[in-house]
Amino acid sequence: QQQVKQSPQSLIVQKGGISIINCAYENTAFDYFPWYQQFPGKGPALLIAIRPDVSEKKEGRFTISFNKSAKQFSLHIMDSQPGDSATYFCAAESPGAGSYQLTFGKGTKLSVIP
Amino acid sequence: DAGITQSPRHKVTETGTPVTLRCHQTENHRYMYWYRQDPGHGLRLIHYSYGVKDTDKGEVSDGYSVSRSKTEDFLLTLESATSSQTSVYFCAISDRFQVSVSYEQYFGPGTRLTVT
Repeated sequence: QQQVKQSPQSLIVQKGGISIINCAYENTAFDYFPWYQQFPGKGPALLIAIRPDVSEKKEGRFTISFNKSAKQFSLHIMDSQPGDSATYFCAAESPGAGSYQLTFGKGTKLSVIP
Repeated sequence: DAGITQSPRHKVTETGTPVTLRCHQTENHRYMYWYRQDPGHGLRLIHYSYGVKDTDKGEVSDGYSVSRSKTEDFLLTLESATSSQTSVYFCAISDRFQVSVSYEQYFGPGTRLTVT
């Protein structure tokens, strides 16, 4: 059972354009939603994260939009640059009994072309 | 990479042999995690630890065991490697004692394991 569904699998965007990646979740116990960025040959790194008590969070060119009622959240990359070309993973965390586990989406490979 | 090292970085082994991957951290973080990454599957949690000698199973724990005898080291063992365990393995750490909005998990550089 996939608890976090991510789309699209791949995305090609022109330099300067807007990249949009969407995720949907099922478990209402999730209370923390991070996005990770991964470059080839490297480990994922936290890009931006949000909690469900806010509907939007912006950090520079990166914005998370969160819709609690629809159980959906998305990453928007404004003014996309070739250096943004990477794989992006959404994730959701549920606090367990003394543990904090992330459930990841399957990833979106973003290519920004000049 | 937030003071996380993984060893070895690359390994090729034969089916049926035991394999141990090591994750070492210098951050004194309480929580440590092992993930595997496969094309089309994203990152899936294998096992995690919430303290020395405190470990639990994740989503895809079959065929794997872990041990944590010191805060800084988290070992992942494949008792008898199979070709389906060919993957890239990532260790991650986090610390929840600090009041933080992000609760970030920091990932290591990964170990590429090939089972022939």
